[in-house]
Amino acid sequence: AQTVTQSQPEMSVQEAETVTLSCTYDTSESDYYLFWYKQPPSRQMILVIRQEAYKQQNATENRFSVNFQKAAKSFSLKISDSQLGDAAMYFCAYRSASDYKLSFGAGTTVTVRA
Amino acid sequence: NAGVTQTPKFRILKIGQSMTLQCAQDMNHNYMYWYRQDPGMGLKLIYYSVGAGITDKGEVPNGYNVSRSTTEDFPLRLELAAPSQTSVYFCASSYGPPDTQYFGPGTRLTVL
Repeated sequence: AQTVTQSQPEMSVQEAETVTLSCTYDTSESDYYLFWYKQPPSRQMILVIRQEAYKQQNATENRFSVNFQKAAKSFSLKISDSQLGDAAMYFCAYRSASDYKLSFGAGTTVTVRA
Repeated sequence: NAGVTQTPKFRILKIGQSMTLQCAQDMNHNYMYWYRQDPGMGLKLIYYSVGAGITDKGEVPNGYNVSRSTTEDFPLRLELAAPSQTSVYFCASSYGPPDTQYFGPGTRLTVL
């Protein structure tokens, strides 16, 4: 099974500032997908951003962007202009293109200070 | 569209009891999944289905059963509940393998 590692259990950021969450993964596959999901206190899992491994361009969604380093097997998430509503647990996830299953990291709790 | 719905939201079971967690989606997705999330952890796959009548085991299937008689519904059955099954259970669906999985709101289950 693939391993997804999030080395930061908690991160704190001042409102309007930027925070970067780390994620590394282990795979022997060349074609796969990577995701960041947000889980607020409501527990709903919300897709934040998705990256296809065959695309060199980093994905962006409004204030959220990723730094995808395929050779280093690294997939970090940058949250710019942080807002109070960004406070949540963030999960990095991996899926092989030949499989249906998502493998999740342990998560990073983001706190936003007003 | 309601998306992915799950019932109940909360449930307390006694050891040895059984129950079914319901999951339904109205997006005509072929693929459906059941995950569990233990405190402070990521999600682990229990079972998944690639279409009506077809199911397969995930990482942690022991103690659970599933069925998929329709495209819309994917119930998860717990037989002989144990304290180790205390967790939050998420159902998800996707149209196909490359597609994003969409999650339901979760069911918090406690086994005492």
